[in-house]
Amino acid sequence: DAGITQSPRHKVTETGTPVTLRCHQTENHRYMYWYRQDPGHGLRLIHYSYGVKDTDKGEVSDGYSVSRSKTEDFLLTLESATSSQTSVYFCAIRGSNTIYFGEGSWLTVV
Amino acid sequence: GNSVTQMEGPVTLSEEAFLTINCTYTATGYPSLFWYVQYPGEGLQLLLKATKADDKGSNKGFEATYRKETTSFHLEKGSVQVSDSAVYFCALSPGETSGSRLTFGEGTQLTVNP
Repeated sequence: DAGITQSPRHKVTETGTPVTLRCHQTENHRYMYWYRQDPGHGLRLIHYSYGVKDTDKGEVSDGYSVSRSKTEDFLLTLESATSSQTSVYFCAIRGSNTIYFGEGSWLTVV
Repeated sequence: GNSVTQMEGPVTLSEEAFLTINCTYTATGYPSLFWYVQYPGEGLQLLLKATKADDKGSNKGFEATYRKETTSFHLEKGSVQVSDSAVYFCALSPGETSGSRLTFGEGTQLTVNP
């Protein structure tokens, strides 16, 4: 158990609404990541963080923002959700030279 | 840039059959290589890893050898079980200077029939 909790686990939201997904870790690791998983694409990196208030973009960052005000929490925000952002979102942390994943958040934008 | 290519799925096998899932990569330097497994409705679990050329990662009867000369990291298991049915992802990490971000292949769906 890598000590990662994602919330909410499932959410349905309407197009144009803001959505925030939360990732909480209990291990005090420096690096945290947000990925999205879509059929035919595997997992793609959205944003990552290398410390409190230190974040950087991944390969599919458009339409997403992140914040990390505490070591243990990494938030992913969809400012104005679109149907193309319907996906499964995974948070991950880096510990002991290995990356560990949370259980995922299923987001549907209708 | 970095990339990972996995054999296309889905793969369907009978119980006790031999499994190979091919994985090749493109990367500069000396990346670390990983196999993750995802069971239905769950997150990704690390299955095995190798951090340098000729290393062999192994776990739960699965193994993969880091072949730098062929830029490959094929996953093998001698005798699969129904419980091995899952999606398998090959991934690479370029190392510390890039925040150890993982680049994934598309995943290979494995179904094992009794």
